[in-house]
Amino acid sequence: SAVISQKPSRDICQRGTSLTIQCQVDSQVTMMFWYRQQPGQSLTLIATANQGSEATYESGFVIDKFPISRPNLTFSTLTVSNMSPEDSSIYLCSVSLRGATNEKLFFGSGTQLSVL
Amino acid sequence: AQSVAQPEDQVNVAEGNPLTVKCTYSVSGNPYLFWYVQYPNRGLQFLLKYITGDNLVKGSYGFEAEFNKSQTSFHLKKPSALVSDSALYFCAVRETYNQGGKLIFGQGTELSVKP
Repeated sequence: SAVISQKPSRDICQRGTSLTIQCQVDSQVTMMFWYRQQPGQSLTLIATANQGSEATYESGFVIDKFPISRPNLTFSTLTVSNMSPEDSSIYLCSVSLRGATNEKLFFGSGTQLSVL
Repeated sequence: AQSVAQPEDQVNVAEGNPLTVKCTYSVSGNPYLFWYVQYPNRGLQFLLKYITGDNLVKGSYGFEAEFNKSQTSFHLKKPSALVSDSALYFCAVRETYNQGGKLIFGQGTELSVKP
């Protein structure tokens, strides 16, 4: 299993500012995923963070708005840049652990972001 | 394109009664299907998955799900609901089983179990 520490758990930010969310995993993982969960909507994958290379972004998400760092195999950050009220959402990091016959996704507890 | 639908925003069940949370999917190949639960103020937790084999999959906390290929469904079930089962449930489909394949989630169903 994996234990994921995600912080901050919540924040209230002003329009135009940026927030960096941190995700720490207690084991080494190749890929980390960042999701957004908007109110009343499903989880949407923002990007896949690969150690040693640039993150892979999904359609509708760009690096300038959501820069991601992945300095090592246990840590990643997601920055929400130049925030607007539309960015108010829950942001989740996730890792995939694959064993010989099994695979599971583990999620952080999420960061609830409110932009005023 | 792959997609997942959870037709019910909310399901209300009395404690002790059976519960079903519905999920249908659309994929071009073989589906790899998952159920996750999100309790208040906590991250998503894995419940169960279907990759291959028996259509009835048993998971955590007494939950099970039945894969029905002809109906493209993967409904979550539990024979006897508990108040502590009240949470948000997400069905998801994976595009590929290779590591790195992204999950596509349904919109979620809020389960409320009343005493």
